This record gives sequence, structure tokens and C-alpha cells, in this order.
Amino acid sequence: IAGITQAPTSQILAAGRRMTLRCTQDMRHNAMYWYRQDLGLGLRLIHYSNTAGTTGKGEVPDGYSVSRANTDDFPLTLASAVPSQTSVYFCASSPIGEFVNEQFFGPGTRLTVL
Amino acid sequence: GQNIDQPTEMTATEGAIVQINCTYQTSGFNGLFWYQQHAGEAPTFLSYNVLDGLEEKGRFSSFLSRSKGYSYLLLKELQMKDSASYLCAVNNDYKLSFGAGTTVTVRA
Repeated sequence: IAGITQAPTSQILAAGRRMTLRCTQDMRHNAMYWYRQDLGLGLRLIHYSNTAGTTGKGEVPDGYSVSRANTDDFPLTLASAVPSQTSVYFCASSPIGEFVNEQFFGPGTRLTVL
Repeated sequence: GQNIDQPTEMTATEGAIVQINCTYQTSGFNGLFWYQQHAGEAPTFLSYNVLDGLEEKGRFSSFLSRSKGYSYLLLKELQMKDSASYLCAVNNDYKLSFGAGTTVTVRA
């Protein structure tokens, strides 16, 4: 693994189903983030984690949950998917504490909820 | 709340210069990022400003005025591969708030 990976690449899901989007990074970054990107709205933060064992809510957390059991993995779960959760989901990681704490983004997961 | 504004679209000719403006009103400020995003791909880091002034990086430069809540990204010697969306993002306590992005189309 080099950088940050996401799985699956794309998924079509029936409304009401449970879905977990996976995100793994090998850069040993302490912070990780989940965004959704919708046309005309830009990237919006769903949940974040500044370090393993801690998580926080972003701008649009409702309907989503996350966990951070270790440094590398940050899964995003939709407990009961709804059509409004159709979006492109990006995971990102960042080395908090460095001067330029840029966020590195994964390739994205395109999710369609029918 | 966070309010970050940038133009929706811009068109320019190959070899020209384009300036993308970003204005922001946010509850906190720890720096401003510019990202580039090609269609169907992930955003990639372009520049970072935390102090007022101009940061130059090859063909790309970024400017910040904290007192005015204003930044711009300057793209010089435009190339066809510069056709992409450019995202302005304000860093507040290690969390980013993004503008909706500016789609730049470079014409031959």
C-alpha cells in the first residue's frame, strides 16, 4: 500500500441496507477524515479523528458513524442507507503537528442508494 | 458558521493567466489551502498560506489577506492539463471547510 486507499471503488445499494466504506493509510498520519462531495456543494466533512481512539462530528454527521481502532484504518458506516446519501465519498489523512498539515485524499467511493 | 465563496466557472486560453478569487468568513482560521481536482479524481494539494502575502510555486501562486478574508490562486502559462476544478479550503483547528470549487476550462 502506498498512501491512502478506499474500498469499494463504487457501490449500488438498496435503501435501508447497511454499508461500510473502508479507508486505510500507511503514512502513519494521526488525523483522518471523511467527506462527501456533491455537485454544487463541494466537499463537506462528515466525521473526523485526530488520533486513534477518538472521533468527532463534522458538518454533516447524521446517518453516519465512524470508528478509529488503530492509526491506519478509519471505516465509515451507513447504518440504514437513504437515497440522499448518494454521493462520492472521500477519505483523507493529515499529519497534525507539521507546519503544512495538508490533507492527502484517497481515490473516492462512488455510492448510489436506490 | 463557515462561508467560503469562489466563482463557479472560468474559461481561459492556453498560455494565458487566470486568477481564481476566494473570500471567506469563518469562525476560526489556521491557514488556507488550494487543491486541484481533475474530473473523477481525488483532490491534490497545490498551496498553503498562513501569513499574509504571496507564495509562489512554479506556474502557480497563491495570495492571502487575512484582514480582508481574501485569497487568490494565480495560474500562469496555462496548459490544457490545467483544466480542472480548484478548491479553496480554510483550515480551522485541523478541519477543512471547502468552497464549492471553481471549474477552469483551458481552450486551445
